Amino acid sequence: SQKIEQNSEALNIQEGKTATLTCNYTNYSPAYLQWYRQDPGRGPVFLLLIRENEKEKRKERLKVTFDTTLKQSLFHITASQPADSATYLCALDRGEELTGGGNKLTFGTGTQLKVEL
Amino acid sequence: DARVTQTPRHKVTEMGQEVTMRCQPILGHNTVFWYRQTMMQGLELLAYFRNRAPLDDSGMPKDRFSAEMPDATLATLKIQPSEPRDSAVYFCASGLTLLRGPNHEQFFGPGTRLTVL
Repeated sequence: SQKIEQNSEALNIQEGKTATLTCNYTNYSPAYLQWYRQDPGRGPVFLLLIRENEKEKRKERLKVTFDTTLKQSLFHITASQPADSATYLCALDRGEELTGGGNKLTFGTGTQLKVEL
Repeated sequence: DARVTQTPRHKVTEMGQEVTMRCQPILGHNTVFWYRQTMMQGLELLAYFRNRAPLDDSGMPKDRFSAEMPDATLATLKIQPSEPRDSAVYFCASGLTLLRGPNHEQFFGPGTRLTVL
């Protein structure tokens, strides 16, 4: 069966360091992979999208890599700040829009990140 | 500032009662999703619509859940009868799905926190 795994334990890092979150998947062939941020009591907010033929995508202090051979994506936050503390979710999309489907996402369970002063 | 709205934000009800949750997607979006989030299962897709037509509701318990889009500005998720195991946060999200992509992100509402006693 399809499975998406993210670090189940909270990740605590010191301000200014780089946070690295992992998303591993099995029995899946995503066309796209997305990362979302979720704060307590709120809905997820989109951060980045990377396609299967892209190795790396950057946006400001964020960087995502996508290795379809390893079936893994890494999400990096450089120069982390306490405001980056949140739960980060990866989501996989088969890209079924060409077959009439919508961009149906399957989410991982998320990793809670805490950035400490 | 366009955003997805959901009502009610909180709902406490007794087992056996009917629950209706409403969502107003972002104007111009053609895809609407319903998700359920719990600590144990994470974010699960219940159903989604494209251009108001249901595409996939395989994640939804059919005997008690129903999802509809009476018009482009309203999506509803109904549970009848409700059970304690339905207690969760229910999110609505909307997006713009285009043939040949690129796929775009999903915009989530604030969620409805449902508690069934």
